[in-house]
Amino acid sequence: DAGVIQSPRHEVTEMGQEVTLRCKPISGHDYLFWYRQTMMRGLELLIYFNNNVPIDDSGMPEDRFSAKMPNASFSTLKIQPSEPRDSAVYFCASSLVTSGATDTQYFGPGTRLTVL
Amino acid sequence: DQQVKQNSPSLSVQEGRISILNCDYTNSMFDYFLWYKKYPAEGPTFLISISSIKDKNEDGRFTVFLNKSAKHLSLHIVPSQPGDSAVYFCAASYTGTASKLTFGTGTRLQVTL
Repeated sequence: DAGVIQSPRHEVTEMGQEVTLRCKPISGHDYLFWYRQTMMRGLELLIYFNNNVPIDDSGMPEDRFSAKMPNASFSTLKIQPSEPRDSAVYFCASSLVTSGATDTQYFGPGTRLTVL
Repeated sequence: DQQVKQNSPSLSVQEGRISILNCDYTNSMFDYFLWYKKYPAEGPTFLISISSIKDKNEDGRFTVFLNKSAKHLSLHIVPSQPGDSAVYFCAASYTGTASKLTFGTGTRLQVTL
């Protein structure tokens, strides 16, 4: 298996522009997570999906952030408009949860976003 | 409010010695704890976990200890190797939130020759 795939790996944009980050989870996994990593706050959970349905988006910082999962093999995280404080590394992760237990999450390589 | 805390941002240990990474949590509902390891330019990878019904879990050179009364866990690496140099994240979850993890800020471990 190729693992979790994220694109692009690096994104540099100007303040006010729309940014779209993409994720392909591991085939067969039923949970998908979006995280943001910063030095100050570590890894923050932004939103997660179960069977393509958003379950908890309480970590999404503002209305400028939105996420979708149109099918089991694809998800996007969109920031519109982007601001310099959104600069961070964004990770996507997926897992297969059995019996309601906490199962291992598999992370993608991340997208390093820089907003100028 | 940081519910999972890793108060040491960095740690340096000599090769062959023991590395001890610490993690504290504030939410008493957490009942499952994990450690992830992260190399530069890669995503975190799962290392070891422990359920709250145990106080120790061992996997090769890695052992995690849980002290529920102190709301503290630690990761021991014995012996430490240069390839262990990475950022280590502690994470926690609780029953009913299937797979939702709360992560700490990470500790950067440097194993020197």
